[in-house]
Amino acid sequence: KAGVTQTPRYLIKTRGQQVTLSCSPISGHRSVSWYQQTPGQGLQFLFEYFSETQRNKGNFPGRFSGRQFSNSRSEMNVSTLELGDSALYLCASSLQGDEPYGYTFGSGTRLTVV
Amino acid sequence: DQQVKQNSPSLSVQEGRISILNCDYTNSMFDYFLWYKKYPAEGPTFLISISSIKDKNEDGRFTVFLNKSAKHLSLHIVPSQPGDSAVYFCAAMGRRSQGNLIFGKGTKLSVKP
Repeated sequence: KAGVTQTPRYLIKTRGQQVTLSCSPISGHRSVSWYQQTPGQGLQFLFEYFSETQRNKGNFPGRFSGRQFSNSRSEMNVSTLELGDSALYLCASSLQGDEPYGYTFGSGTRLTVV
Repeated sequence: DQQVKQNSPSLSVQEGRISILNCDYTNSMFDYFLWYKKYPAEGPTFLISISSIKDKNEDGRFTVFLNKSAKHLSLHIVPSQPGDSAVYFCAAMGRRSQGNLIFGKGTKLSVKP
């Protein structure tokens, strides 16, 4: 079956702009989580969506937002980009969001802010 | 404050020998611990997990040990193969994690032929 698909793979944006990243989960998975990976902070949880509702949120500023559609596809948006937002953004999907065998991750979107 | 710590940024092992990757945690309320493997330019791939009520879980060449009193877990890879060279992340989750995995910062394993 198809894995988790993230688009685009690479993005270069200018400070102050906004960006939208997309994630298509595995068919049947209703939970989509987003993570930010940076060399200094590692993998940090941004938020999770389940059935079009944000159920959980990490410790990130309000410039980071997301949404989920009825087909479980999810988007995350970052407004007023800062240099420090340069990172690999990963999304992960699972059936319910609490399976102990973990989540399936996409390959990520590499965002560079200049 | 890091709840999950991997204190060794890198580890180098000879092919055929054992690789031991370590992880410490601070929150005794975690219900599951997981190991992920990550190659460059790819997302993390789930490897193995262990429930907090167990002390060992085995899957082929991979075994995870949990010491709750020490709040410590380790991943053993035997025998190590060059294809195991990757970054390994330890992660923890609560019973109702709602998508929130708490990751360590990773250990880069290099297996030399």
